[in-house]
Amino acid sequence: DSGVTQTPKHLITATGQRVTLRCSPRSGDLSVYWYQQSLDQGLQFLIQYYNGEERAKGNILERFSAQQFPDLHSELNLSSLELGDSALYFCASSPGGEKQFFGPGTRLTVL
Amino acid sequence: DQQVKQNSPSLSVQEGRISILNCDYTNSMFDYFLWYKKYPAEGPTFLISISSIKDKNEDGRFTVFLNKSAKHLSLHIVPSQPGDSAVYFCAASPGNMLTFGGGTRLMVKP
Repeated sequence: DSGVTQTPKHLITATGQRVTLRCSPRSGDLSVYWYQQSLDQGLQFLIQYYNGEERAKGNILERFSAQQFPDLHSELNLSSLELGDSALYFCASSPGGEKQFFGPGTRLTVL
Repeated sequence: DQQVKQNSPSLSVQEGRISILNCDYTNSMFDYFLWYKKYPAEGPTFLISISSIKDKNEDGRFTVFLNKSAKHLSLHIVPSQPGDSAVYFCAASPGNMLTFGGGTRLMVKP
């Protein structure tokens, strides 16, 4: 157990819909990262927040957005969903430095 | 443009033997490298890391080797155990953002 929690575990929705994925980092970790893993591929970095502020952006679509709240939990919002958005979405947290601790992921299925 | 590549999608070894997983990178700005292990239905778990100022780091059965001139790193697992069967990802960082390879599925046969 990494100490990072993600909800929901599974999410099934239809094209065009909007969903919100939630992440609670390990106690004390200020940084939260979001990654997408499509079928049989590596993890693609989406975005990083540090203490409530956006710190780095990767290959995140404009339809996707994220935020980190004062209690340090983070939400990833995916809108106008397409079939290709079906993937595993991982959240990771870090106290600083390169080592990141990953949550169990949210499996999103878009039908 | 894949900056971190794991060219072997899968590897099968016998229990007790050595497993060698390889990873190549292209970005000279990467200065920290990590290996993660992932079981099905779980998130990646940190295994071992190495800074670019070193060429070897050991932790129990796991050793990571870094060859900066070749932009290549490898993970050695000795001896391999059936519980090591998982997908292994290498990752590289120029700071705090990780770039992952595509993963290698390791199967350790009893």
